[in-house]
Amino acid sequence: GENVEQHPSTLSVQEGDSAVIKCTYSDSASNYFPWYKQELGKRPQLIIDIRSNVGEKKDQRIAVTLNKTAKHFSLHITETQPEDSAVYFCAARFSSGYSTLTFGKGTMLLVSP
Amino acid sequence: EAGVTQSPTHLIKTRGQQVTLRCSPISGHTSVYWYQQALGLGLQFLLWYDEGEERNRGNFPPRFSGRQFPNYSSELNVNALELEDSALYLCASILSGRAVNTQYFGPGTRLTVL
Repeated sequence: GENVEQHPSTLSVQEGDSAVIKCTYSDSASNYFPWYKQELGKRPQLIIDIRSNVGEKKDQRIAVTLNKTAKHFSLHITETQPEDSAVYFCAARFSSGYSTLTFGKGTMLLVSP
Repeated sequence: EAGVTQSPTHLIKTRGQQVTLRCSPISGHTSVYWYQQALGLGLQFLLWYDEGEERNRGNFPPRFSGRQFPNYSSELNVNALELEDSALYLCASILSGRAVNTQYFGPGTRLTVL
């Protein structure tokens, strides 16, 4: 079945360090990969997304890379700040599901001052 | 522009009861997704409604059901509540379910089943 694996489940870094979260997906025809950030007690919010015709996308301190051959994509956060502390979810749109997304189980990122 | 809204914010029920959760999408959005977010399990896809029709459902039993109204708002109904139904229920709206568009989430309804 359609599956998204996300690692690590928790990640602790010092302020200023970089953080990398990796996801793998099962359907090679998947073509859309968003990342959501969910702060404690708040709704998930889209922070960046990438489509399958692009290998990398950047937005200030956040970047996403996609390796279609290996079927994995990663979120990179540089110069982390305490306000980056949150749970991050990756997701993939599989070819069978129109706009339906399958989410990874999430990564809790803790940035210590 | 108002975002996705959900009601109620919190709900406490006992086993065997029934519950109805409500979602209003962003104005102009015709598609609504429902997710269950239980502790440690991420977001599990429940149901997808698009232009008034149920288009897809996740791996949940039939006691989870819903509908979408002509104004594109949606209800999620859960019958015969079980303890493991305790979770945050999120809805997300999307401009159109037939294309790759961003899903915008509501604040969720926290359901506790005792």
